[in-house]
Amino acid sequence: AQTVTQSQPEMSVQEAETVTLSCTYDTSESDYYLFWYKQPPSRQMILVIRQEAYKQQNATENRFSVNFQKAAKSFSLKISDSQLGDAAMYFCASYSGGGADGLTFGKGTHLIIQP
Amino acid sequence: KAGVTQTPRYLIKTRGQQVTLSCSPISGHRSVSWYQQTPGQGLQFLFEYFSETQRNKGNFPGRFSGRQFSNSRSEMNVSTLELGDSALYLCASSFGASGGALAKNIQYFGAGTRLSVL
Repeated sequence: AQTVTQSQPEMSVQEAETVTLSCTYDTSESDYYLFWYKQPPSRQMILVIRQEAYKQQNATENRFSVNFQKAAKSFSLKISDSQLGDAAMYFCASYSGGGADGLTFGKGTHLIIQP
Repeated sequence: KAGVTQTPRYLIKTRGQQVTLSCSPISGHRSVSWYQQTPGQGLQFLFEYFSETQRNKGNFPGRFSGRQFSNSRSEMNVSTLELGDSALYLCASSFGASGGALAKNIQYFGAGTRLSVL
């Protein structure tokens, strides 16, 4: 079974600054994906960024980037130039595709953007 | 391209009733997965359907069931509702299914159905 742990229930950052959300995971699979999803108050779960486990290069999507440390089983999300629209719950998730668990999610981090 | 559509957005039911939720996937996607989100348990996988067949099932009682139609639309049914079934039910679609190439299994979510059981 896979597990995903997000140790920061809530984070706060000033608008335009940079914030890093932490995530650790555990899996026995050799091939898997890691994701960050954003869930704003509208409840729509939005895919922010994904990382394939066999790729060493960290994924980047505009202001969002990850720090993927495979040996440490760590997958943090960095948001640069934070904007008010970034305020949301952020969920880290893993997926190996072969098991019966679907996506395995962490408990989430509530990100607050201070104007 | 339209996203994942879930209907209805809100539902209020009483204990003992049954409920059916609907999910229309992104055009071309053949896999639909369902998740339950509660404040206490977080997001939990319910089941996955691909080509009208259930591929995987999470650890939920038999009161939770689903099906998928030939157009890939899916329905989820909960019978004999309990107070603890109150939750946000999220549907996600992907092109491929579990067991296949992971790159085809990126899941995109709908806005969910908020179920309240009184």
